[in-house]
Amino acid sequence: DSGVTQTPKHLITATGQRVTLRCSPRSGDLSVYWYQQSLDQGLQFLIQYYNGEERAKGNILERFSAQQFPDLHSELNLSSLELGDSALYFCASRRGHSGNTIYFGEGSWLTVV
Amino acid sequence: GENVEQHPSTLSVQEGDSAVIKCTYSDSASNYFPWYKQELGKGPQLIIDIRSNVGEKKDQRIAVTLNKTAKHFSLHITETQPEDSAVYFCAASRGTNAGKSTFGDGTTLTVKP
Repeated sequence: DSGVTQTPKHLITATGQRVTLRCSPRSGDLSVYWYQQSLDQGLQFLIQYYNGEERAKGNILERFSAQQFPDLHSELNLSSLELGDSALYFCASRRGHSGNTIYFGEGSWLTVV
Repeated sequence: GENVEQHPSTLSVQEGDSAVIKCTYSDSASNYFPWYKQELGKGPQLIIDIRSNVGEKKDQRIAVTLNKTAKHFSLHITETQPEDSAVYFCAASRGTNAGKSTFGDGTTLTVKP
């Protein structure tokens, strides 16, 4: 158990809908990262938050957004969903805003039908 | 941006044999190269990493080598065991923010008893 908690574990929704994925980082970790893992794109970094502020941005679509709250949990919002958004979404956390070891949660499976 | 290629995509070995997974990267400024193991239903877990100022690093049955000139790095697992069966990802990043890594497409390793 990495100490990173993601909910929900599985989600099925229709095209055009909006969903929110939630992540609770390890206790004391200030950085939260979001990743998308799909069969055709592999594992891709989406976005990083550090202590409530956006720190780095990767291949995140404009239809997607994230935020980190004062209690350090984070949410990834996916809107106007398309079939191609079906993927496993991971959250990871780390103590500081840089450094080596990041700890991944078990992911949220999103299926868009 | 960075591009990481990983080979092979699947690898099957007999228990006790060695396994080697290779990655190449494109950005000569990349200086941090982690390897992750992802078991079924779980998130990736860091198993070993290497920085560009080191040519080789070993941790028990796992070793990583880096050739900066050729821009490739490899994961070596010796005396493989069935519990080594998993998907392995290499990654590359610049600076100290390893969470922003570019990942390879993964290698599915199967260790046959």
